[in-house]
Amino acid sequence: EVQLVESGGDLVKPGGSIRLSCAASGFAFVNAWMNWVRQAPGKGLEWVARFKSESDGGTTDYAAPVAGRFTISRDDSQNTLYLQMNSLKIEDSAVYYCATSMRSPTFDSWGQGTLVTVSS
Amino acid sequence: DIVMTQSPDSLAVSLGERATINCRSSQSVFYSSNNKNYLAWYQQKPGQPPKLLFYWASTRESGVPDRFSGSGSATDFTLTISSLQAEDVAVYYCQQYYNIPRTFGQGTRLEI
Repeated sequence: EVQLVESGGDLVKPGGSIRLSCAASGFAFVNAWMNWVRQAPGKGLEWVARFKSESDGGTTDYAAPVAGRFTISRDDSQNTLYLQMNSLKIEDSAVYYCATSMRSPTFDSWGQGTLVTVSS
Repeated sequence: DIVMTQSPDSLAVSLGERATINCRSSQSVFYSSNNKNYLAWYQQKPGQPPKLLFYWASTRESGVPDRFSGSGSATDFTLTISSLQAEDVAVYYCQQYYNIPRTFGQGTRLEI
């Protein structure tokens, strides 16, 4: 069974940093394209970043609002995806989900999310 | 970026009646090389992550009841629930995976 478990969410001050983790199990993580998607309280879904598998180039992509501040990374030996978030802004407050594509060309597997609150 | 616009923002439908949600993309998400529309639909219930309902605009994800259907092509798409059940109360999102950045519609809240 595919499992994605996010952790690391917390209350952070504006300008601060935090690192989120997503522990994956039940599938071949090394071959998966992994994503972060966020959802601000009471708002819609926003794609944040993607990390392709090494076999498909291992490249990363970012949404414009986070480019230059967030870094997505992965440790295939630990089946874990990360999101380093720097220079945090109040508008980065959201539940952050990791998501991947196991059976379809888009996000068919999601974690339960971890909450990041940016506030002074 | 491809902008996804859903209508309506909210919808109230009686039990057993049909519910229709529309999604329009700012540019075509149809690839003629493989004849596929790069459009997905999700259902999200309170406190839960989104659940994939359809991809390729009309391919039903495993386990999704057949009262749900997806249709459309290029820039105009529709999610239809033929006979609304109480458990269908949720927010529904369309999403394009034609290019990066992946973008979602703003969501449609479906109520009884």
